[in-house]
Amino acid sequence: EAGVAQSPRYKIIEKRQSVAFWCNPISGHATLYWYQQILGQGPKLLIQFQNNGVVDDSQLPKDRFSAERLKGVDSTLKIQPAKLEDSAVYLCASSLTSRTNYEQYFGPGTRLTVT
Amino acid sequence: KNEVEQSPQNLTAQEGEFITINCSYSVGISALHWLQQHPGGGIVSLFMLSSGKKKHGRLIATINIQEKHSSLHITASHPRDSAVYICAVALNNAGNMLTFGGGTRLMVKP
Repeated sequence: EAGVAQSPRYKIIEKRQSVAFWCNPISGHATLYWYQQILGQGPKLLIQFQNNGVVDDSQLPKDRFSAERLKGVDSTLKIQPAKLEDSAVYLCASSLTSRTNYEQYFGPGTRLTVT
Repeated sequence: KNEVEQSPQNLTAQEGEFITINCSYSVGISALHWLQQHPGGGIVSLFMLSSGKKKHGRLIATINIQEKHSSLHITASHPRDSAVYICAVALNNAGNMLTFGGGTRLMVKP
């Protein structure tokens, strides 16, 4: 079974530029998560999708971050414009459902550096 | 105060030593996860538990629901165990949405 795929793996941009990350979850997984992990910290949930609907985006900085999962499969996370403090690893995870005790499977992450 | 606290933040051990990493949480949970993150790599789930104890190879995870505390033990540690170990909890009524601790960075020296 293929795992969660993410691209790119690394991205370096200047502040005020835009960037987009892509995630393809495990086939059949209805729930998709985007996390931000700043160096030395645990991941922080940005947004959770159930199929193509948003379940929780309370910690997404909506003035600059946006995410979509139009067809309920793959997803894109965008930052526009980027700030220095956005430098982090962006992790995508998926699970079969959002019910308790269903495991999340993580992708390799995209390491973003904003200069 | 974070809802999930881990200790220690950093840990250095000699190969063969018995290692314990602790996780305390302050809220009601439905499950607790232990995860492993290698440098430059993604996150791998080690355990998901809601009571008692689980064992997989040299890894043992325990949880005490009344004390809101969990431990991850590594027996006969090896340099390949060097990684960041993350505790995460699924809060009651939040499905499998996870709240993460800050992680414990483990280095095992040969």
